[in-house]
Amino acid sequence: EAAVTQSPRNKVAVTGGKVTLSCNQTNNHNNMYWYRQDTGHGLRLIHYSYGAGSTEKGDIPDGYKASRPSQENFSLILELATPSQTSVYFCASGDFWGGGGQLYFGEGSKLTVL
Amino acid sequence: QQKVQQSPESLIVPEGGMASLNCTSSDRNVDYFWWYRQHSGKSPKMLMSIFSNGEKEEGRFTVHLNKASLHTSLHIRDSQPSDSALYLCRTGNTGKLIFGLGTTLQVQP
Repeated sequence: EAAVTQSPRNKVAVTGGKVTLSCNQTNNHNNMYWYRQDTGHGLRLIHYSYGAGSTEKGDIPDGYKASRPSQENFSLILELATPSQTSVYFCASGDFWGGGGQLYFGEGSKLTVL
Repeated sequence: QQKVQQSPESLIVPEGGMASLNCTSSDRNVDYFWWYRQHSGKSPKMLMSIFSNGEKEEGRFTVHLNKASLHTSLHIRDSQPSDSALYLCRTGNTGKLIFGLGTTLQVQP
């Protein structure tokens, strides 16, 4: 099965601080995604990427930046963290050909902003 | 904005019973529907996908799709306590992959 690794798994940050969540995949997938999951809101798409150098806005991009420096790595950056960004963040990767394809998730990063 | 609606929000079934979950998309361009299962504290894992009208069966799990109404349903027969989880429906073929809010299934022993 595809391997997607997130770091850190747990992070406590202060309001106004900078947070970087990292994601690495070893399966040469073109597409990578960042979601956040909150009770009552399901999985909401923040940013996604089609490949190295590409980043696209998802449904809730405000307050977040993304970086895809290589095929393997996709980072989510919170320049000025706020308590409303306290959440569990999931990275995912996949290849989509002929219209369908699997999406593989990392184990999640729990972020608490105080 | 395309949306994915799931119902019911939560469901309790007895062990050995049948669980039926629903998902509807408002995007007429959708070709594929995916079902994921997420146990508490874990990440979502793909369960089944369907893109043709009709049904698809894998063990205790059956998925139905009606493309005309953009409606899919997941049925779990002989439900087990280990099936207790959040079930998520996903649409989209590439780019923006949108999930519904999910159905929380609880199987009571």
